[in-house]
Amino acid sequence: GQQLNQSPQSMFIQEGEDVSMNCTSSSIFNTWLWYKQDPGEGPVLLIALYKAGELTSNGRLTAQFGITRKDSFLNISASIPSDVGIYFCAGPANSGAGSYQLTFGKGTKLSVIP
Amino acid sequence: KAGVTQTPRYLIKTRGQQVTLSCSPISGHRSVSWYQQTPGQGLQFLFEYFSETQRNKGNFPGRFSGRQFSNSRSEMNVSTLELGDSALYLCASSLGSGGTYGYTFGSGTRLTVV
Repeated sequence: GQQLNQSPQSMFIQEGEDVSMNCTSSSIFNTWLWYKQDPGEGPVLLIALYKAGELTSNGRLTAQFGITRKDSFLNISASIPSDVGIYFCAGPANSGAGSYQLTFGKGTKLSVIP
Repeated sequence: KAGVTQTPRYLIKTRGQQVTLSCSPISGHRSVSWYQQTPGQGLQFLFEYFSETQRNKGNFPGRFSGRQFSNSRSEMNVSTLELGDSALYLCASSLGSGGTYGYTFGSGTRLTVV
């Protein structure tokens, strides 16, 4: 099935630094979603992308839908301690017979050093 | 607007027992999906229900089952529990099926099998 490869697996950064993470697939996705999960909670939707080449911001977060439709990037500017968590990319993968299921990457665990 | 509610939050069961988890979606959402989250495998899709019909099923054994009621509330059941079933079980709801518009997740049920 369609799989999403996320990198890096984990990051340790200094407070105030910018962060970049990405997600790639061997298959085309028509939608890219980015989620953040805090410890002990469910993932929360950060940004949704629906068009190739689209660049969308949500505060200090910016995500881009790759032109090839096989990748997406998430950038966080001027990181703060509350950015700590696991970031997931996700997209609806074709599971056959015209149905789709939301598939997730394995996540990027972000740690921010004050 | 109330979010997705999952009960119970924590559960400890013995190997061989069965368990039922409950999920109340956001009002108006007709799609409910279930995911299993473990440190090694990430978020694995279990199944999706839309208007009381199972729309999609992940690659899990038949011990994992679910259903959706006319008020969109959903339950998932795991029979003959194994140690490897210990995980965070997440429920997510959406207006439509397939994940295109993203899901809103509950806080999860942490199941420990001993």
